[in-house]
Amino acid sequence: DAKTTQPPSMDCAEGRAANLPCNHSTISGNEYVYWYRQIHSQGPQYIIHGLKNNETNEMASLIITEDRKSSTLILPHATLRDTAVYYCIVRNMEYGNKLVFGAGTILRVKS
Amino acid sequence: ETGVTQSPTHLIKTRGQQVTLRCSSQSGHNTVSWYQQALGQGPQFIFQYYREEENGRGNFPPRFSGLQFPNYSSELNVNALELDDSALYLCASTPSGSDEQYFGPGTRLTVT
Repeated sequence: DAKTTQPPSMDCAEGRAANLPCNHSTISGNEYVYWYRQIHSQGPQYIIHGLKNNETNEMASLIITEDRKSSTLILPHATLRDTAVYYCIVRNMEYGNKLVFGAGTILRVKS
Repeated sequence: ETGVTQSPTHLIKTRGQQVTLRCSSQSGHNTVSWYQQALGQGPQFIFQYYREEENGRGNFPPRFSGLQFPNYSSELNVNALELDDSALYLCASTPSGSDEQYFGPGTRLTVT
């Protein structure tokens, strides 16, 4: 499984965009980038995923560099409820539903 | 709300005992995965079940076993509990034809 590197923590002002970086320099051509978050005392929650192209949904946007060695998760207007641990995961679909979580980034949204 | 429930919420066991954790998912979610999350770490994949058979396993010993039932419920069994088994245990289910996993709230197991 390709390894990901994320900063241990980040702060963001409420209402501003939160940009969470992730490095995955050993990603293979058939591996997807997934983002999950885990709010305290809850199970992880799916946010978004992508292969090559940038993706956007109602929660966030995912920007993947052209060489696919890094990506950025963007929360356009962070709220206090977005305070959570954010996990960037490189997923090989051949391994079924197995997700390999790292330590993630603790995002603190402050008023 | 993911529609995935787990029981019990919290559990305290003694070293050497056996424990069974339960998970219930929505109709049509025919894949279930179990994860162990130690304090301060990300979840670690234990195994997954598809149509009542194990079809993927992480780096966990055989004393971790599971069952999946036709009614979309599942169990995680851990024998000969060790202190290091203290963790949050998460189950995640996947609807047929989907790649998205829906996680339950977890069971907090403490081994003393």
